[in-house]
Amino acid sequence: QAVLTQPSSLSASPGASTSLTCTLRSGISVATSRIYWYRQRPGSPPQFLLRYQSDSDKQQGSGVPSRFSGSKDASANAGILLISGLHSEDEADYYCMIWHSSAWVFGGGTKLTVL
Amino acid sequence: EVQLVESGGGLVQPGGSLRLSCVASGLTFTNYAMNWVRQAPGAGLEWVSGISGTGGTTWFADSVKGRFTISRDNSKNTLYLQMDSLRAADTALYFCAYYGGVDAFDIWGQGTMVSVSS
Repeated sequence: QAVLTQPSSLSASPGASTSLTCTLRSGISVATSRIYWYRQRPGSPPQFLLRYQSDSDKQQGSGVPSRFSGSKDASANAGILLISGLHSEDEADYYCMIWHSSAWVFGGGTKLTVL
Repeated sequence: EVQLVESGGGLVQPGGSLRLSCVASGLTFTNYAMNWVRQAPGAGLEWVSGISGTGGTTWFADSVKGRFTISRDNSKNTLYLQMDSLRAADTALYFCAYYGGVDAFDIWGQGTMVSVSS
């Protein structure tokens, strides 16, 4: 079982809000994990969006608008990236990441389509 | 301007070696960890290796442990990745990433392509 599991694809409409999930493998607690989120547009390197541990320990990437926010769902053992007011330019691949067993681990990524 | 510029990629035969470089400018290089992240064609991101600001601590993904070496020259603001015993599975775009003061990979290079094929 992968350390981090993300849905492979997601579709949403312009102006809507959407949540991208990142589920941690059983035995790795989301409560104690700092979740990082990156966006990658085609042909470009990844861009740091935000990291989220708790409401008192979070960091927005430089220039990243507040319509991108992080949270956790403890019952699902998952990190969540919420994007509100979707724009067409939000269409991209989104990756979560954690530090686990002395290594950085990325999720498989979610391809977000805005249509 | 803050930037990372990778170089050294190319086509190499299985079992061969390559050394990648990443030159940093416009940022405080010495104090912060640097990392290599790769992306195989059409695939997701895979962290490869990291090194602390002083170079005294290194980390490697299991997939490259024993084959890759990471190092840095803080006097030249340069990060390196020595890749030996290359395999087809190492074919990827290799990015260097700066783990800066916001405690994240907040600056990325454009990447250098490594192709391992006979």
